[in-house]
Amino acid sequence: YELTQPPSVSVSPGQTARITCSGDALAKEFAYWYRQRPGQAPVTLIYKDTERPSGIPERFSGSSSGTTVTLTISGVQAEDEADYYCQSADNSGLYWVFGGGTKVTVL
Amino acid sequence: EVQLVESGGGLVQVGGSLRLSCESSGFTFSAYGMVWVRQAPGKGLEWVSGITETGVRTFYADSVKGRFSISRDNSQKTLYLQMRSLRAEDTAVYYCAKDGGETQGGIDHWGQGTLVTVSS
Repeated sequence: YELTQPPSVSVSPGQTARITCSGDALAKEFAYWYRQRPGQAPVTLIYKDTERPSGIPERFSGSSSGTTVTLTISGVQAEDEADYYCQSADNSGLYWVFGGGTKVTVL
Repeated sequence: EVQLVESGGGLVQVGGSLRLSCESSGFTFSAYGMVWVRQAPGKGLEWVSGITETGVRTFYADSVKGRFSISRDNSQKTLYLQMRSLRAEDTAVYYCAKDGGETQGGIDHWGQGTLVTVSS
């Protein structure tokens, strides 16, 4: 089972970045998004497709449509330059999988 | 504050064994599933293994099934990963992570990771 993400996304400061994640099981299983800055552990940005943990800025949002989920970063800032990973589970819900990751570059 | 502190990483030869530990604090350890996630140098995240709150059920990625064993000691609030028959491709930073449970799901807290290097 696989989740497919674009390897890279480039965006200018203040613009909107959208990162997609596709996989058959996403029609049934929730998706989660994590941000990882260089040399740091990942941080949870979005859970259950659209929910944001406390402390995560409102400019991070998630959406879902069929077998594709999308992480949207509005008003991109230089500090948003990082790797972003989606994560879900297979159809049984027991075996987890990560997408390959998307490197966001702020121009 | 939730804290997860991994230990036990290091340099080991191909075919060798290593046991990782993850000490937890700041939450009711016995109420949450736990997972191990790894990241090879310059690569993405890979889910390795998961364990339910009581430890009764365990799950493994195909890449480690039969070689790795996850366990937990709820009295010590500690998660373990026993790794055997190590291969060069097991070289990675290994993260201990807390399942978000029914409310959140996924991973809600991560440790800082411990590096495992498998050398021939």
